[in-house]
Amino acid sequence: GDSVTQMEGPVTLSEEAFLTINCTYTATGYPSLFWYVQYPGEGLQLLLKATKADDKGSNKGFEATYRKETTSFHLEKGSVQVSDSAVYFCALSVSADGLTFGKGTHLIIQP
Amino acid sequence: GAGVSQSPSNKVTEKGKDVELRCDPISGHTALYWYRQSLGQGLEFLIYFQGNSAPDKSGLPSDRFSAERTGGSVSTLTIQRTQQEDSAVYLCASSLAPSGYTEAFFGQGTRLTVV
Repeated sequence: GDSVTQMEGPVTLSEEAFLTINCTYTATGYPSLFWYVQYPGEGLQLLLKATKADDKGSNKGFEATYRKETTSFHLEKGSVQVSDSAVYFCALSVSADGLTFGKGTHLIIQP
Repeated sequence: GAGVSQSPSNKVTEKGKDVELRCDPISGHTALYWYRQSLGQGLEFLIYFQGNSAPDKSGLPSDRFSAERTGGSVSTLTIQRTQQEDSAVYLCASSLAPSGYTEAFFGQGTRLTVV
């Protein structure tokens, strides 16, 4: 079946540090890939997505590139802020199916 | 409403009791999903409704769990004879089309505690 593996947290960084959260997947078909974010006390919301190989999704300074050859969709940001502290979920969806999520990575940014 | 609404926001129940969790999706959204978020376990898919098609129930963990969607809008997730391992946050999401093609919007969730 479909699955998503992402790095375990918590990940603790200082403000302005470079961020990478790794995500790899297995899928029976050709998936769309997503990063969702859950800020403290809020519901999940879409951060970015990519629907085909080599596409780059970007939003709020975050980027992720759909790498079919390595089945990866790593999340990156060049300079993190305290307000980026949240739980980040990598997810995939094949065709009309629901979303399959990773376990989430808790990111803590210290001033 | 403007977003996906779930009720109640918190529910404490005794082991063995039945509970009903409600989800009001965004108006016009044909796809509706239920997920369970347990500590350290990520998001577990439970059930998926798409339009008038038969729901995908492949994620329901046992026959104590059931869900329905009336009139293609409001959905109710029912857990019968609750167990302590059912304690989790239950999330509902809806989307205009299947989530592979468009964004899924999540509600705030219902935190269920079975004591």
